Amino acid sequence: DIVMTQSPDSLAVSLGERATIKCKSSQSVFLFSNDKNYIAWYQQKPGQPPKLLIYWASTRESGVPDRFRGSGSRTDFTLTITSVRAEDAAIYFCHQYYTTPITFGQGTRLEVK
Amino acid sequence: QLHVQESGPGLVKPSETLSLTCTVSGGSISSRNYYWGWIRQSPGKGLEWVGSFYSTGSTYFNPSLKGRLSISVDKSKNQFSLRLSSLTAADTAVYYCAVQSEHDSASGPVRYWGQGTLVTVSS
Repeated sequence: DIVMTQSPDSLAVSLGERATIKCKSSQSVFLFSNDKNYIAWYQQKPGQPPKLLIYWASTRESGVPDRFRGSGSRTDFTLTITSVRAEDAAIYFCHQYYTTPITFGQGTRLEVK
Repeated sequence: QLHVQESGPGLVKPSETLSLTCTVSGGSISSRNYYWGWIRQSPGKGLEWVGSFYSTGSTYFNPSLKGRLSISVDKSKNQFSLRLSSLTAADTAVYYCAVQSEHDSASGPVRYWGQGTLVTVSS
């Protein structure tokens, strides 16, 4: 199985500041034939299911604000929230869909100060 | 807009079999645009993919569930169901219907999630 490891486990960021969440996969999730990284990012708020933010490592889902940015390739990926807002307080998960079993990171809790 | 909703018991006894159903609206379960399946979430194990199927009839299961899992489809009701046998406390989790988009004949990100149903395994 591909193991997804996120860092940090939690972080606290002031309003308007930048939040950076890392995700490392235990093997490459890049497919040369289509030049894509099989990585998604989700946001989960209490009592709700996860919500898709980013797929193909850097493509924003429709309706997701452009302050959410995904980057990275092969085994190292980053979710950046460029100017954090109060409503961004949540847990964020990375996810690889390169191969089954699909797997998720353990989650990073974002607190907004 | 696709919508999926889980239904099933909230409490199941150890060693028994869990049956959950996912009802799909806003789209057809026969669609070749999606993979349909289940993901569970527990405090101890985080998000764990359970299994999924595609409209061609192909099914995909998490090997960690070691043959305890089956997924069935009722096209007339636009529903699919999960059966997980030989339950233990480790199967206690919130179970989500999960719909992955299809891309190049493989599954993509989870684009649609149900609200989730808490299943507790306890005597």
